[in-house]
Amino acid sequence: RKEVEQDPGPFNVPEGATVAFNCTYSNSASQSFFWYRQDCRKEPKLLMSVYSSGNEDGRFTAQLNRASQYISLLIRDSKLSDSATYLCVGVSGGYQKVTFGTGTKLQVIP
Amino acid sequence: SQTIHQWPATLVQPVGSPLSLECTVEGTSNPNLYWYRQAAGRGLQLLFYSVGIGQISSEVPQNLSASRPQDRQFILSSKKLLLSDSGFYLCALKERSEQFFGPGTRLTVL
Repeated sequence: RKEVEQDPGPFNVPEGATVAFNCTYSNSASQSFFWYRQDCRKEPKLLMSVYSSGNEDGRFTAQLNRASQYISLLIRDSKLSDSATYLCVGVSGGYQKVTFGTGTKLQVIP
Repeated sequence: SQTIHQWPATLVQPVGSPLSLECTVEGTSNPNLYWYRQAAGRGLQLLFYSVGIGQISSEVPQNLSASRPQDRQFILSSKKLLLSDSGFYLCALKERSEQFFGPGTRLTVL
């Protein structure tokens, strides 16, 4: 089983829709979680951190459920510019081992 | 804030040829540095990480090697490239628990 698993998608949603991605992790020792965004043929860029209490940044909301070992990303009022691949990341271990999911592709359609 | 440079941006090499990819960072000292590879349609695979000069840890067995001759320089090498070495090579540094990526080198082995 992969340490971090995501549905690869693609998720095709109309502009203005709300879309949610989940990501499950198997390492209960994982300490920190993040969502990254990766545009086609570009490097991943940090989107937001994920806290147990949940956090919101504009149209984006991230949640962490340690009991069920999953994190989520909710995007409200989708824009065409939100089209990208979204990677979830878990960090654990003494040297801060970073494990990326394979990403979920989102395509926002006009 | 930190800046990550990678060179070259793109590279086309024949099978069996050597490889040297360079990553340099600015705006930070004694960073943890990472080399990742992203093959077409696949997730990020951690290849090497380094916590300091001359300190390299390998995550997967392969025909690649890494070196850290200076605090802010991380080099990825191979003596003989394989077709399977094609991919998008990303250098990253870690600040607190967050990772930041360089622009990447796109390698095609023919």
